[in-house]
Amino acid sequence: QVQLVESGGGVVQPGGSLRLSCAASGFTFSSYGMHWVRQAPGKGLEWVAFIRYDGSNKYYADSVKGRFTISRDNSKNTLYLQMNSLRAEDTAVYYCAKDLSVGRSYGDYFDYWGQGTLVTVSS
Amino acid sequence: EIVLTQSPATLSLSPGERATLSCRASQSVSSYLAWYQQKPGQAPRLLIYDASNRATGIPARFSGSGSGTDFTLTISSLEPEDFAVYYCQQRSNWPSYTFGQGTKLEIK
Repeated sequence: QVQLVESGGGVVQPGGSLRLSCAASGFTFSSYGMHWVRQAPGKGLEWVAFIRYDGSNKYYADSVKGRFTISRDNSKNTLYLQMNSLRAEDTAVYYCAKDLSVGRSYGDYFDYWGQGTLVTVSS
Repeated sequence: EIVLTQSPATLSLSPGERATLSCRASQSVSSYLAWYQQKPGQAPRLLIYDASNRATGIPARFSGSGSGTDFTLTISSLEPEDFAVYYCQQRSNWPSYTFGQGTKLEIK
């Protein structure tokens, strides 16, 4: 069965950095695009970033462009999110999510999600 | 940016009743709309994609309809486990995904 397990969350000061990881299993990781989606406490969902199955294309929400970098290591079945210049408004649970469709150059829907990792940006 | 507006914000119903949730887009998204269910402390779960296709393992009591700007998620007969928050999401304006603000379905 598909499993996605996020790690790396924690408390960081404004302006700081953090790297999230998402370990995937139960499917052919290298064949699917992957996403990060976040949810601020008590709020709705916000898409953050997408990476193509082979890592060649990456897309970002305007709110994180230039500060966050999505990457993947298909040899380790792992997705990453490097977060720099963090702000209070980046405080959220960060979910990794698998793309619904195999082998697409751009994103589809999110058919499997991890349980999330909480990032708190506070001084 | 395409704005998705869900209504009502809260829906109070009893088990066995029919639930009808609405999602309206600020401009046409064709059929590129999905519905997700989220329970407290859990990750969202994909229910419906491309407006009317049930995702793998989703019970037949869940159905989606609509196209263009107006969409509906219907739960034909509510089970106790269906009480949750429901979000719609569009992928028409790639890569600018947007979600609705959610509808909370609560037990009456």
